[in-house]
Amino acid sequence: RKEVEQDPGPFNVPEGATVAFNCTYSNSASQSFFWYRQDCRKEPKLLMSVYSSGNEDGRFTAQLNRASQYISLLIRDSKLSDSATYLCVVPRDYKLSFGAGTTVTVRA
Amino acid sequence: DVKVTQSSRYLVKRTGEKVFLECVQDMDHENMFWYRQDPGLGLRLIYFSYDVKMKEKGDIPEGYSVSREKKERFSLILESASTNQTSMYLCASYPGFNYGYTFGSGTRLTVV
Repeated sequence: RKEVEQDPGPFNVPEGATVAFNCTYSNSASQSFFWYRQDCRKEPKLLMSVYSSGNEDGRFTAQLNRASQYISLLIRDSKLSDSATYLCVVPRDYKLSFGAGTTVTVRA
Repeated sequence: DVKVTQSSRYLVKRTGEKVFLECVQDMDHENMFWYRQDPGLGLRLIYFSYDVKMKEKGDIPEGYSVSREKKERFSLILESASTNQTSMYLCASYPGFNYGYTFGSGTRLTVV
């Protein structure tokens, strides 16, 4: 089993829609998690940190389910600018393990 | 804001050349990392360093080496570039566990 697995998508949604996707992880000892956003041909940038059951930042909500070992990201009221690849990241020892990413495309 | 600077955005090198990719961070972070990113494979860890002159192999160190002579600078070296090392290379630093990385803007290397 991979350390971090994501549904690659793509998720194609209209503006204003809600889109959600999950990430599963294998290390049950992980305490903190991250969602990164990566635009085409750019570097990943930190979107959200998740330390307890979840986190909310504006239109973005991350939820953590430790029992089932998954983290979800929900985007409400999608904007065209939300089109990107979203990377799930889980600490491993003193490093971070990255999922392969979920691609979201928001259409007008 | 932490700034991580990679010396080149685009590089084209010939097979067999020795290639140096430089990365500098300005926030006194101890931990620095080199990843490569390829379509469908995500980010894969090449090497990392948690202190000056310290280095650890990541998941795919073959064909690479690193140097960390100063805390702010972490260099990735391709001893003899090959076409399968054509990739996007990303440097990152972070202050410690439970914190996220800050990435440099990446170097897109093409080996011909």
